[in-house]
Amino acid sequence: AQKITQTQPGMFVQEKEAVTLDCTYDTSDQSYGLFWYKQPSSGEMIFLIYQGSYDEQNATEGRYSLNFQKARKSANLVISASQLGDSAMYFCAMREGNSGYALNFGKGTSLLVTP
Amino acid sequence: GAVVSQHPSRVICKSGTSVKIECRSLDFQATTMFWYRQFPKQSLMLMATSNEGSKATYEQGVEKDKFLINHASLTLSTLTVTSAHPEDSSFYICSARRGDVPEQFFGPGTRLTVL
Repeated sequence: AQKITQTQPGMFVQEKEAVTLDCTYDTSDQSYGLFWYKQPSSGEMIFLIYQGSYDEQNATEGRYSLNFQKARKSANLVISASQLGDSAMYFCAMREGNSGYALNFGKGTSLLVTP
Repeated sequence: GAVVSQHPSRVICKSGTSVKIECRSLDFQATTMFWYRQFPKQSLMLMATSNEGSKATYEQGVEKDKFLINHASLTLSTLTVTSAHPEDSSFYICSARRGDVPEQFFGPGTRLTVL
């Protein structure tokens, strides 16, 4: 069964606007971590933001924030003030408590920022 | 920051040959390293988890005799694709866990093309 679901294969946003990328997850563990990574066309994986399952506050890192709704098992990424350089693939990932720290990735969302 | 390198970045080989890919953590000791495989426009799939000095743990469906992993030190893990075939052509990415932060640090990836 898919543990991480990203339902948006592709998204468009205009420069300077905010965009939300959806991510839902499935786990029976109480302790887990949620991550967002960005993958530009060059292929490198760039870490953006992390949310632990016990963190009460939503994580924020600069223009990135994670809208964590534990009861709904969702961990949406919000990018504010989009820039042309934000165009890339975005992957949501989960580390479960008993996974040996391995990450389980969603299928990704391709974001295109237009002028 | 935490830097992970991979070598080579790109390799083209003939069917039947073996290819070795190196993954190095340059400025930290990695408690665990991971190997992922990514097909075009798809997500990252975990192949194996590697701890220094012990045998790698392979994911279901990954042939351990085909994909040999050696983790000789806290800063180096190697993936050898033995007797490569065209279906092994893919983007291989390693990551390393530092231990004091939750995120994994990814290498830039190796694009393998088997003719």
